[in-house]
Order: sequence, then structure tokens, then C-alpha cells
Amino acid sequence: NAGVTQTPKFRILKIGQSMTLQCTQDMNHNYMYWYRQDPGMGLKLIYYSVGAGITDKGEVPNGYNVSRSTTEDFPLRLELAAPSQTSVYFCASRLRQGGNYEQYFGPGTRLTVT
Amino acid sequence: GENVEQHPSTLSVQEGDSAVIKCTYSDSASNYFPWYKQELGKGPQLIIDIRSNVGEKKDQRIAVTLNKTAKHFSLHITETQPEDSAVYFCAAGASGTYKYIFGTGTRLKVLA
Repeated sequence: NAGVTQTPKFRILKIGQSMTLQCTQDMNHNYMYWYRQDPGMGLKLIYYSVGAGITDKGEVPNGYNVSRSTTEDFPLRLELAAPSQTSVYFCASRLRQGGNYEQYFGPGTRLTVT
Repeated sequence: GENVEQHPSTLSVQEGDSAVIKCTYSDSASNYFPWYKQELGKGPQLIIDIRSNVGEKKDQRIAVTLNKTAKHFSLHITETQPEDSAVYFCAAGASGTYKYIFGTGTRLKVLA
């Protein structure tokens, strides 16, 4: 298993541009998450999904959109990028059943908006 | 809203000494408390977790303790080694919800 993969690893955007951060997991996990990590601020939940076709907002959803058309993929869309969206973005997934609550994280995407 | 406070933000210890990181949570419904280790340039990785029906859990040099009454939980690393140097995050979650609240992280440096 490759686990959780994210692309790209790094990206520089100009203010007002748009992009999609890709996330794929091959563990057949039901739950998927997008977090952003700012220096000294821990992980903040942007959006999450409990299964294909179902998404919901986290703590900091403004400026982002997601979709979950398949179990494997959970892309994060940034529209009209702003400097405040400069951050490291992590995708994570988790199995639903069996009392296993462990989240598996991808390697992250470092985004700079200038 | 729910909150998890984590202290200290940085911690330096000599190799072989112990390190303790503490977290406090606010949501009384929380019953799952994981600890993640994040190495430079990588995503967080689970190192140990504890459920609310247990007061302590050990895995080799790592242990976690939980005080539900005080809403505190702590990570203990004994006989620290240079490869323990990383950022450590605590989190709290409640069964029936899908979300965890993360602490702000502790940067641990183990000095050789």
C-alpha cells in the first residue's frame, strides 16, 4: 500500500489564482480529512468526508472547496488564492469500523501565495 | 468551542533523560487521545493513543497517562535518543464524531 499520497509537494501561487491539491488513499478508508498547518498553530481542520458523496466543513473552510466522488480521492480546491492561505496542507484518512481511530497522514503540500 | 492546550512549545533534553509533554482538553465528551510525531518535511504519524477507560498505556520507551477528572493527558518518553527529536502533537476526539482537535505541538530536541 502507498498509503496517503498528495500532489504536488510544493507550489507557489499568485494572489487570485486557483489550484487543486490532490489526495489519494489506497487503504479503502471511509473517512478523509484536509488540514492546514501554520507555524506554531497545530493542525486546523478545513473539510472532512465520511464517505463518497458526503463532505462537511471543519474549523476553517472559508476559501476552500472539496468533493468526494470516489472512496480513494479527496481533492481540495482553492479559489482566488490569498496570502492567508500560505500554509502546509495535509490530507489524512481513517478507517470507520473496528474501533480503530488512527488517522493516516500524507506527506503534505507546502503552498505559498504571493 | 472545543480546545486542546499543549505545553511546553519547545523542550530540550539531554540524551538519556526523560521528556514529558502535557495536554489539557475542554470537551468532556472526548474519549480518545492520540499522540502524533512529526519529523521534518513529513506528515504526522501516530505513536501511541489512549482511550478514556484506561489510565495509562505503555509501548517500550513511550507512555501516555490520562486523568479524566482533570481533563489532562501526558506523553512520557524515557531514555531519549537523538532520533526522538521531532514535533509532537496531542489530540482529543469523541466517538460518534469524526473530528479530532489538535494541540499546537511541542518541538522536542534531544541533545547528544
